[in-house]
Amino acid sequence: DAGITQSPRHKVTETGTPVTLRCHQTENHRYMYWYRQDPGHGLRLIHYSYGVKDTDKGEVSDGYSVSRSKTEDFLLTLESATSSQTSVYFCAISPQDTEAFFGQGTRLTVV
Amino acid sequence: AQTVTQSQPEMSVQEAETVTLSCTYDTSESNYYLFWYKQPPSRQMILVIRQEAYKQQNATENRFSVNFQKAAKSFSLKISDSQLGDTAMYFCAFTPRATDKLIFGTGTRLQVFP
Repeated sequence: DAGITQSPRHKVTETGTPVTLRCHQTENHRYMYWYRQDPGHGLRLIHYSYGVKDTDKGEVSDGYSVSRSKTEDFLLTLESATSSQTSVYFCAISPQDTEAFFGQGTRLTVV
Repeated sequence: AQTVTQSQPEMSVQEAETVTLSCTYDTSESNYYLFWYKQPPSRQMILVIRQEAYKQQNATENRFSVNFQKAAKSFSLKISDSQLGDTAMYFCAFTPRATDKLIFGTGTRLQVFP
């Protein structure tokens, strides 16, 4: 398995609270991504990073922010969680010129 | 806009038989990459097979093969000698560059019956 660790694996939080999901890699890959998976939608890109402090928005970025202060860590923050952000979140990493490898996912429930 | 369409939400196949999952995509790029990912109940996303658009030869990985029709923008996955462990959600994905963001289809849920 590619060295990707997502934490936490499961989380239940209340509407309006901030939440941070962490993606940690041991592969020293430059590219990192956050996706969310919802029934009927497949996986959709939230934010991605091409390097330290170099991030950009994806297809469904509203309500989310990211930070990457070190190569190995890519944080996804929900500033004020809403029920529509209940989902499974995947982090992925990619070395140059090859496919992405995914973490095991985080199931987030906003009540 | 670049899109990926999987028109079969669910499929089933008997063990040892062959099944084909369909995928079409839309892009104006001339070179790009296509992937099939498998997601078993464990939720892990596992790369099954990869195809680079400039390669005319269809990719093959053991029991998994693709039928890549560039002009038709079609990328189907054939699973031969289906096994119970093939039961999973299968996602077709596209990217214009290997390190660029992936665009996913909505998935096909495959059930393999004994």
